[in-house]
Amino acid sequence: DADVTQTPRNRITKTGKRIMLECSQTKGHDRMYWYRQDPGLGLRLIYYSFDVKDINKGEISDGYSVSRQAQAKFSLSLESAIPNQTALYFCATASSYNEQFFGPGTRLTVL
Amino acid sequence: GNSVTQMEGPVTLSEEAFLTINCTYTATGYPSLFWYVQYPGEGLQLLLKATKADDKGSNKGFEATYRKETTSFHLEKGSVQVSDSAVYFCALTTTGANSKLTFGKGITLSVRP
Repeated sequence: DADVTQTPRNRITKTGKRIMLECSQTKGHDRMYWYRQDPGLGLRLIYYSFDVKDINKGEISDGYSVSRQAQAKFSLSLESAIPNQTALYFCATASSYNEQFFGPGTRLTVL
Repeated sequence: GNSVTQMEGPVTLSEEAFLTINCTYTATGYPSLFWYVQYPGEGLQLLLKATKADDKGSNKGFEATYRKETTSFHLEKGSVQVSDSAVYFCALTTTGANSKLTFGKGITLSVRP
């Protein structure tokens, strides 16, 4: 079984809809991250969390929110999706030794 | 702040060719440096890393040396294979960054048989 899982893997939605992307991990890591990947821009950090009570904004948090329901679960929400949020979204986890482990990604299309 | 600059792509090579992908960085403090690889349809995987100056990271025939004097971490492989076709990302984190990674834009490598 994969250490970091993301659901759904693909999602097509319409402008204005609320969307939740979910991430679960079995690595026992405290640190979890959400990134988006756009062609030619690399990965950009949206939010990160060091434990259940610790949530931090990344470089592009506007239009997004997160929830850390448990050590193993970290969800990303788009309250009102817009077309420029069409992207590939990755969840990642890390121990205190800097190496991050990535999920397989969620491809989101906002029409 | 921290930043990573990768050479422009895409790169197309024939099988068994020599590969170099350039990466330079700007960082506050003492960075750890990483190369991640993304195969088609998959998430990113750590390819190799180096945590201090002059360290050489290596994995799957790939190598990169942490050069503090030139602030570089170029990725090399002596003989690429078709299976190396992927997107390659250079990244760094610094002591005060709490594992937050700063990524380069990535470069797509295609290897022809």
